[in-house]
Amino acid sequence: QKEVEQNSGPLSVPEGAIASLNCTYSDRGSQSFFWYRQYSGKSPELIMFIYSNGDKEDGRFTAQLNKASQYVSLLIRDSQPSDSATYLCAVKSGGYNKLIFGAGTRLAVHP
Amino acid sequence: KAGVTQTPRYLIKTRGQQVTLSCSPISGHRSVSWYQQTPGQGLQFLFEYFSETQRNKGNFPGRFSGRQFSNSRSEMNVSTLELGDSALYLCASSLEDGSPLHFGNGTRLTVT
Repeated sequence: QKEVEQNSGPLSVPEGAIASLNCTYSDRGSQSFFWYRQYSGKSPELIMFIYSNGDKEDGRFTAQLNKASQYVSLLIRDSQPSDSATYLCAVKSGGYNKLIFGAGTRLAVHP
Repeated sequence: KAGVTQTPRYLIKTRGQQVTLSCSPISGHRSVSWYQQTPGQGLQFLFEYFSETQRNKGNFPGRFSGRQFSNSRSEMNVSTLELGDSALYLCASSLEDGSPLHFGNGTRLTVT
């Protein structure tokens, strides 16, 4: 069974700090990686996607991918209380559009 | 552009009944996927449709089925409902293979 692993948290960071969320995956053939944010009672919302090794930045968010280590991370700079949510790592598995999701990391940003 | 629309938002059914959930993808998206989310199992893949064809199916019993219409709208059906089917059912659409999935607001199904 191909897996995606995340630390369930909660990860607690002070407002203004950098939050670092990590994810490992087992399928070496995976090519597409996604981060979703999910507020309690809501549906997942796409935050970032990354296909190539290295960093990809979008505003306060940076996704990092290391295929050799089978590791993908999400950095949130200048964390705000509104960033408090569960962050889901997803990996495209096999053909077409099947995603395998991690269990999610709960982030709590406190003032 | 309108997002993914799922109806209904909430459903309450009793064991043994069947249910049909509906999903309208983002305009132009031909791939529609369905996921089940529960507190214990997280987000689990049900199936994916593209141009009215099921391309992928997750590890769910045959009670779970789906279809896609020529306008890319999709439905999923669960027959002979069990208590364990209580979950948030999420539909997502995608423009092309490998591009990001965009989720609808989900249908919360409660089986009593």
